Amino acid sequence: GAGVSQSPSNKVTEKGKDVELRCDPISGHTALYWYRQSLGQGLEFLIYFQGNSAPDKSGLPSDRFSAERTGGSVSTLTIQRTQQEDSAVYLCASSLGRGIPIQYFGAGTRLSVL
Amino acid sequence: SQQGEEDPQALSIQEGENATMNCSYKTSINNLQWYRQNSGRGLVHLILIRSNEREKHSGRLRVTLDTSKKSSSLLITASRAADTASYFCATGNAGGTSYGKLTFGQGTILTVHP
Repeated sequence: GAGVSQSPSNKVTEKGKDVELRCDPISGHTALYWYRQSLGQGLEFLIYFQGNSAPDKSGLPSDRFSAERTGGSVSTLTIQRTQQEDSAVYLCASSLGRGIPIQYFGAGTRLSVL
Repeated sequence: SQQGEEDPQALSIQEGENATMNCSYKTSINNLQWYRQNSGRGLVHLILIRSNEREKHSGRLRVTLDTSKKSSSLLITASRAADTASYFCATGNAGGTSYGKLTFGQGTILTVHP
């Protein structure tokens, strides 16, 4: 695609529910990143994919968070048993590959946990 | 955790004036980038400077890097109302898993008044 696409753009959920956030990177980009942006915490790295594998999951805040990538393309970030502190904008970015520093960001998914 | 500290946190200027934002970081880097974010959503890459460079220009943007002081500055000349946005520095660390993971500063909110 022309850019990084994320869906949904907004998600409102109730505490305790599971949510799935989707990212469709730029075609041909092998590296994919998830970040979280929240008030007071700025932009935090969550996880990095190279192809379908995730060499760095160090930013995932708890075991309620998981992510996968299939076909070297679309990635899904899943948050189980959502908590109010999970409310944030979740941003996905892609780059041409390992070690290529410039990242292209999607518009994000704004998650609100009530 | 955020490596970059940006200052000022907020900057308000008139159209036509120059805007200068500063960023400091803590660990060794191999590159530093500046990104812009409108309306709290996706980030857009502006400019990248490598650790062996001291200054770089792109249109109305000028970036400097002082690795001895672990600091960078972004200058926007002849600002326009359309430059109103949040600006973030992002560092890529040298060594370790040099796959392009970015660590972001807290950002500077720039408001340009017409």
